[in-house]
Amino acid sequence: DGGITQSPKYLFRKEGQNVTLSCEQNLNHDAMYWYRQDPGQGLRLIYYSQIVNDFQKGDIAEGYSVSREKKESFPLTVTSAQKNPTAFYLCASSGAVLSGAKNIQYFGAGTRLSVL
Amino acid sequence: AQKVTQAQTEISVVEKEDVTLDCVYETRDTTYYLFWYKQPPSGELVFLIRRNSFDEQNEISGRYSWNFQKSTSSFNFTITASQVVDSAVYFCALSEGGGNNRLAFGKGNQVVVIP
Repeated sequence: DGGITQSPKYLFRKEGQNVTLSCEQNLNHDAMYWYRQDPGQGLRLIYYSQIVNDFQKGDIAEGYSVSREKKESFPLTVTSAQKNPTAFYLCASSGAVLSGAKNIQYFGAGTRLSVL
Repeated sequence: AQKVTQAQTEISVVEKEDVTLDCVYETRDTTYYLFWYKQPPSGELVFLIRRNSFDEQNEISGRYSWNFQKSTSSFNFTITASQVVDSAVYFCALSEGGGNNRLAFGKGNQVVVIP
């Protein structure tokens, strides 16, 4: 089945540790996105990538890093510089550039990150 | 800058009642897109609808309907004859017409349908 797979579903981070959240899509989408969701809040954009080997900071990029070496994959690293990482992280992708529905973002099931 | 406001945070209704979720947006662009997503307890956001700024026709899909009014910068969502499965958080979002396709989300409406 085509879709977006995020792993793990739950993740625990120790003080000073970097952790990496995985996001893989098999929809042949060009663009991918990472959002953070805090309780009672909307989604806030962390990073996005419109094409392989290129990415841009979103509204809350500090303490996070990404890479886009393959079209299918857009991993997010939460670094030790992110002092309040506890949140629900959602990955999304949107369609090929020439697709009429290119700007509809489809989401994965999310990763819930907690600090030990 | 683009902005989306969903004023009500939690709405409780008894099953079979209708519920309307308000969404007000701000943008300086003349070309933009509006979206509604549903987030059930499982957490994944489910796409419901996209509307572009040049199409003000209202839309109905089963028990869901949307009312887009550019004059009041609103894109409201109504669930008719609500069911327990409609219990979820609903987000309104806006994307401006430029190439980066960034979405600005409202804070969401928690809908609780009581059996």
